[in-house]
Amino acid sequence: AQSVTQLGSHVSVSEGALVLLRCNYSSSVPPYLFWYVQYPNQGLQLLLKYTTGATLVKGINGFEAEFKKSETSFHLTKPSAHMSDAAEYFCAVTSTQAGTALIFGKGTTLSVSS
Amino acid sequence: DAMVIQNPRYQVTQFGKPVTLSCSQTLNHNVMYWYQQKSSQAPKLLFHYYDKDFNNEADTPDNFQSRRPNTSFCFLDIRSPGLGDAAMYLCATSHEVAGGSYNEQFFGPGTRLTVL
Repeated sequence: AQSVTQLGSHVSVSEGALVLLRCNYSSSVPPYLFWYVQYPNQGLQLLLKYTTGATLVKGINGFEAEFKKSETSFHLTKPSAHMSDAAEYFCAVTSTQAGTALIFGKGTTLSVSS
Repeated sequence: DAMVIQNPRYQVTQFGKPVTLSCSQTLNHNVMYWYQQKSSQAPKLLFHYYDKDFNNEADTPDNFQSRRPNTSFCFLDIRSPGLGDAAMYLCATSHEVAGGSYNEQFFGPGTRLTVL
């Protein structure tokens, strides 16, 4: 079975500050890991994904995440927050098998203040 | 642009009155998914179609059904909506090859269902 834990349901930062959203996963098979962003009343947009290869992955809008197998973590970071980054962020895991479900964490709401 | 389209974006129905949500895609993907996302919660998979094969999640209530008449369209039918079914319903698609590895899911904008 797979699961995702996002530490902190709400994170607040100032504009220009570092963004760090935490995600830990549990998986009995090699995982594929994802971060999605959701703006109010909209669908999910993929920020970045880890499948195989380089453990530091870069995504859209200046976000990046590092897969750390020893820590079972996939934390999302951005060096400098923008007001437009305010949204809900979901970490998700799936197995390498085609057609399997994405298992989402409960989400972290990011607030950015000026 | 190739995309996943959901109609309507907002749907209001009455308690117990059947409702159908629609999803269409121009990506020509062979797998289509329906997720339910309740307020302040994570999306949860209800079921998916792999080509014409329907795959129901074990804990999806019988009240939820789905139809996929062709590659491009997939419908979510709620036979007797209850107050607890009020949620955002997200459609997603992916292109999968038998025996292959996971491919990215592309999400539509969602339909927000209100049950009165």
